[in-house]
Amino acid sequence: GNSVTQMEGPVTLSEEAFLTINCTYTATGYPSLFWYVQYPGEGLQLLLKATKADDKGSNKGFEATYRKETTSFHLEKGSVQVSDSAVYFCALPNDYKLSFGAGTTVTVRA
Amino acid sequence: NAGVTQTPKFRVLKTGQSMTLLCAQDMNHEYMYWYRQDPGMGLRLIHYSVGEGTTAKGEVPDGYNVSRLKKQNFLLGLESAAPSQTSVYFCASSYRRDRGNQPQHFGDGTRLSIL
Repeated sequence: GNSVTQMEGPVTLSEEAFLTINCTYTATGYPSLFWYVQYPGEGLQLLLKATKADDKGSNKGFEATYRKETTSFHLEKGSVQVSDSAVYFCALPNDYKLSFGAGTTVTVRA
Repeated sequence: NAGVTQTPKFRVLKTGQSMTLLCAQDMNHEYMYWYRQDPGMGLRLIHYSVGEGTTAKGEVPDGYNVSRLKKQNFLLGLESAAPSQTSVYFCASSYRRDRGNQPQHFGDGTRLSIL
């Protein structure tokens, strides 16, 4: 079935630093790809998505591009804030379900 | 717009007790899911449902039962709680796959401790 492999971290950054979290996928066909974010004490929220090759999803200053050639969907943000401290999950559909990466914990220090 | 609502938010049980976790969604989604989240283990799918009256096993179904009597509700039951079931439980829902690759919408979780 479809699966994702995600950089696990943890990642600790200073405010205004550049963030990248790697995600690669194995899939049949070209499914949509998702990034979810989980803030402390909360459930997962959809951060962004891309539905086809070369699509760029973006939200809250985060971006990720669906790369068919490298089977990747890396998450990037140019200047992180303390409020971006969270756990980030890469995901893709797998039959009726979603397959999630293991999650990457990001801590941003002031 | 409530989205996905889980009750209760917190619960402490003794070993051997039973309880039911309730998930309700108001988005008319066909698919519903129960996950557990444990440190270092990521999200693991317990059971899921592709429609009213249907359920299916996920990765870690042992010790749990589920029911989907109404489209908007998905119940997770623990018949005889064990300390290994201490976890944070998340419910999620989505449209069915023939509407495209739809994302799942999550509730805020139920934090369950088994003593």
